[in-house]
Amino acid sequence: DTGVSQDPRHKITKRGQNVTFRCDPISEHNRLYWYRQTLGQGPEFLTYFQNEAQLEKSRLLSDRFSAERPKGSFSTLEIQRTEQGDSAMYLCASSSPSGRAGDTQYFGPGTRLTVL
Amino acid sequence: QQQVKQSPQSLIVQKGGISIINCAYENTAFDYFPWYQQFPGKGPALLIAIRPDVSEKKEGRFTISFNKSAKQFSLHIMDSQPGDSATYFCAPTGGLLNYGQNFVFGPGTRLSVLP
Repeated sequence: DTGVSQDPRHKITKRGQNVTFRCDPISEHNRLYWYRQTLGQGPEFLTYFQNEAQLEKSRLLSDRFSAERPKGSFSTLEIQRTEQGDSAMYLCASSSPSGRAGDTQYFGPGTRLTVL
Repeated sequence: QQQVKQSPQSLIVQKGGISIINCAYENTAFDYFPWYQQFPGKGPALLIAIRPDVSEKKEGRFTISFNKSAKQFSLHIMDSQPGDSATYFCAPTGGLLNYGQNFVFGPGTRLSVLP
């Protein structure tokens, strides 16, 4: 499968624990995005990487959230001290270097986080 | 904060009918206007997109039309099929990076096509 992959697909954790998600973009894509989606809502932007550089981060993003893309390939999203309000689907997307930031994004299947 | 609005919130159409979903935006710097389709448990997938140099684009049963002066674009699904039942998001983008305000998705329209 040459699409965007995310791991794990589901994560259940207790409040206060740290969690880390991984995203593997389409191999030739240099742009990578993280979104959060709650039930019945559209995806909410979290952060954007071009290669290994984190160029955009939502103003609404708590300091408990951090993302990395150390070698410009896969990316990780970590949530520290999880809260029940963090329960959501976390989506990763990637896009081609031939377009511009935001153009045609290819989404992964998402990681569903449940915080008990 | 940038606003992207969709209407209707939900839509029920008979098989073979026409589904019309609208998107309104505020940021005049947007220059790429896509519609994404999302099935339950899946990530969104690009359905069709338009740039402002044309006012309409058709791909099979799907047509996107763009009204620059009204800052609106719409998705028309002709001969709607039960397999089209999904949630549709507009996600206009473009302009300078600005704390993610050019990576905004609309709230979604849930389409149900009755057999």
